[in-house]
Amino acid sequence: KNQVEQSPQSLIILEGKNCTLQCNYTVSPFSNLRWYKQDTGRGPVSLTIMTFSENTKSNGRYTATLDADTKQSSLHITASQLSDSASYICVVSADLAGNMLTFGGGTRLMVKP
Amino acid sequence: NAGVTQTPKFRVLKTGQSMTLLCAQDMNHEYMYWYRQDPGMGLRLIHYSVGEGTTAKGEVPDGYNVSRLKKQNFLLGLESAAPSQTSVYFCASSYGLSPSYEQYFGPGTRLTVT
Repeated sequence: KNQVEQSPQSLIILEGKNCTLQCNYTVSPFSNLRWYKQDTGRGPVSLTIMTFSENTKSNGRYTATLDADTKQSSLHITASQLSDSASYICVVSADLAGNMLTFGGGTRLMVKP
Repeated sequence: NAGVTQTPKFRVLKTGQSMTLLCAQDMNHEYMYWYRQDPGMGLRLIHYSVGEGTTAKGEVPDGYNVSRLKKQNFLLGLESAAPSQTSVYFCASSYGLSPSYEQYFGPGTRLTVT
């Protein structure tokens, strides 16, 4: 069964600090991996997308990495801001499955002043 | 351009009551999806549609029905609500069915069944 596991479940950091969120997946055959940001009371919004051949992808202060061999991804947030407080969801697509997505449970990040 | 909108935003139902959730998108997307999000769990696909007049079952379809009479609208129905259907429901749409096409999500509907 395709699965996506994220850690930690929740994280509190001080404004200005960096943090790294982890994602392990067992989705096969792999097509791509996305990181979504979900603000409280809102729908998920895509931050980055990486295919098999991509090791890293940046979007401003967000940098995602992918190791397709170990089936691991991370999302690094640099110089955190209060507006980064949200849930971050790792989502993996399986090839040949249309646009069917497997979602992780998310990491809830709180940035404190 | 509103993207994906959902109505209502909140709803409380009693066990056995019925209701319909409406999803609308103005991006001319062919594909639409209904998900539910429960605490600590990833979003799970309920039903999806690959075009006007078509629907298909997702991972957790039991207790729900859907209809896609117009390309821009995707309706999710609960015929006889149960407490297990208490959840946040998200609608999404995408231009294509390939995994390379991003799914755009609505703001969600929080449903409580007592």
